[in-house]
This record gives sequence, C-alpha cells and structure tokens, in this order.
Amino acid sequence: DQQVKQNSPSLSVQEGRISILNCDYTNSMFDYFLWYKKYPAEGPTFLISISSIKDKNEDGRFTVFLNKSAKHLSLHIVPSQPGDSAVYFCAASAGDTGRRALTFGSGTRLQVQP
Amino acid sequence: KAGVTQTPRYLIKTRGQQVTLSCSPISGHRSVSWYQQTPGQGLQFLFEYFSETQRNKGNFPGRFSGRQFSNSRSEMNVSTLELGDSALYLCASSRITGTGGGYTFGSGTRLTVV
Repeated sequence: DQQVKQNSPSLSVQEGRISILNCDYTNSMFDYFLWYKKYPAEGPTFLISISSIKDKNEDGRFTVFLNKSAKHLSLHIVPSQPGDSAVYFCAASAGDTGRRALTFGSGTRLQVQP
Repeated sequence: KAGVTQTPRYLIKTRGQQVTLSCSPISGHRSVSWYQQTPGQGLQFLFEYFSETQRNKGNFPGRFSGRQFSNSRSEMNVSTLELGDSALYLCASSRITGTGGGYTFGSGTRLTVV
C-alpha cells in the first residue's frame, strides 16, 4: 500500500515554461512534506519542504503547494531550465519527534527541452 | 565540506551470500538513515541510527541489519541475499535524529544479486 503516490512517471516541458509535479498521499498523519531531486548516479538532493500548517512555500523558482483536504501537493518550477531535468521525489513524514522517517513516492522523471 | 560517502559504489553478490555496506556521514552529523531504492518502488526506509542506537526501523525482514560506530560511521548488513534485494542502497545523514527531513544523501551503493 503506497502511502505517497506520484502517478506521473514522466513529464516533458519546454524550457522557460512551468513544470508542475504532483503528489498524493493517503496517510492523514503526515504533517511534513519534502521534494527531492535526483540526478543519475547521485543521491537525492533536498529541494524544498512544507509543513502542514502552511499551504504554500516558495524558494526561488520552486514553489510547493499543499492541499490538505485533498491530500495533494504539487511542486511548481518556473521558469523551467534544462538543468532541472532529473527525477523528482515527493516525501512525507509523521510521528513523534525523534522517531520520524521519510516515506517517498516512486518519482517523476522531468525532462526540460531546450 | 565532504559529503556523505558510501562504499563500495557497486557490488555483485550471489544468492545466499551476505553483504556489508558502509556509510560515512558528514562531519558533525550524528544521525544516519538507510533507504532502499528499487525500480517503481521509490525509496523505502530501512532504519535510522543515532549515537550508536537504532532509533527507528522500517518494514524489512530481519535479514537487514545495521550498526553505528562511535565516530558515527554506519554499516548495513544483508544476510542470505535474495534476487529481490538487488537495489540502490542510499545512506543519509543529518545533525539530529528523526526529524523526517534535513537529510543529506550519499550517492548510494548499487547491489546486484545474481
């Protein structure tokens, strides 16, 4: 039973346009959400996070939106650049302080076309 | 500063053998977590160590074990290897334990079981 789902395995976007990556979760106890980016042969790199008390967090070209009622979050990249081409993982955590772990989605491969 | 170092990068083992993977966290990081990545499954949490103690454990069989040394370096051991254990094993470190975020990942060890 996947608690964090990324239903689009891949996404292709033109350079300069907006990339929207989506993520759904089923566990209502999740209260902290993160996005990681992964290049081939490298470990995931933290991008941006959001707490469940917020519905939006912005960091430069990256914005994460959280819709708790729909159990849905999305990552917006504006404008998209060829260097953004990578696999993006959505992750969530819950639990007592000191006993949290990340539950990851299966990833979305983003290809930004020049 | 040096990142998270995982050794070896690649490993081929035969079914039934055992394997030990190593992770050196970022200097000053006392928490080390291990994740397994398989195609289509995303990253799945194995366990987390902090100050040489296992603080959290994922849903993996007892064949998967780990330990942490006084210098925060960690090892993961898989006994009686099965074909399904073929995966990328990622280690992540952070300053404090169980926050569900703030991790820095290593590049991983790719294990192939034949």
